[in-house]
Amino acid sequence: GQQVMQIPQYQHVQEGEDFTTYCNSSTTLSNIQWYKQRPGGHPVFLIQLVKSGEVKKQKRLTFQFGEAKKNSSLHITATQTTDVGTYFCAPARGGNEKLTFGTGTRLTIIP
Amino acid sequence: DSGVTQTPKHLITATGQRVTLRCSPRSGDLSVYWYQQSLDQGLQFLIQYYNGEERAKGNILERFSAQQFPDLHSELNLSSLELGDSALYFCASSADRGRYNEQFFGPGTRLTVL
Repeated sequence: GQQVMQIPQYQHVQEGEDFTTYCNSSTTLSNIQWYKQRPGGHPVFLIQLVKSGEVKKQKRLTFQFGEAKKNSSLHITATQTTDVGTYFCAPARGGNEKLTFGTGTRLTIIP
Repeated sequence: DSGVTQTPKHLITATGQRVTLRCSPRSGDLSVYWYQQSLDQGLQFLIQYYNGEERAKGNILERFSAQQFPDLHSELNLSSLELGDSALYFCASSADRGRYNEQFFGPGTRLTVL
């Protein structure tokens, strides 16, 4: 079956600190998506990465796709209370490109 | 607002019962996905429909079934309910054209089995 590890499972940071979550696969991925779910909310699409070594930025968020297309990361600079939530990676593979969500990283911010 | 609607918002029922969850995708989206999210758990993919046909199956129990109708709305049927079926059930839709298909999630249906 698909082996996708997302770490850490939980992260508590002081407001203003940086935060990084990692998504690791045992097999090569065709692309990867990232979603954010606020407490009590539904997952919301953030970004999709397709190319090997791709780096995309959205304001304080930086997304990377590994050279071997087996891992990805999301880095948030200078966290704010609005960043609270669970971040999921969703790697897709070839074939029917079915999305399988990672276990998620729950970020809490200490004001 | 993602454009995906789900009804009902909340559902409380008893063990052994049967319920139907409904999802209307975004206008124009052909794919509908169903996910289960238990308390503090990740998203478990259940099943995907594309333009009325089943396209992919995940960890869906035999007690559960789904379908997508000609107007593209979808229903998830859960039968012989057990306490462990209590969860948040999300529907998502995507345009599913080409390789780059973000999913738009509905607000979810919270199912409580007593």
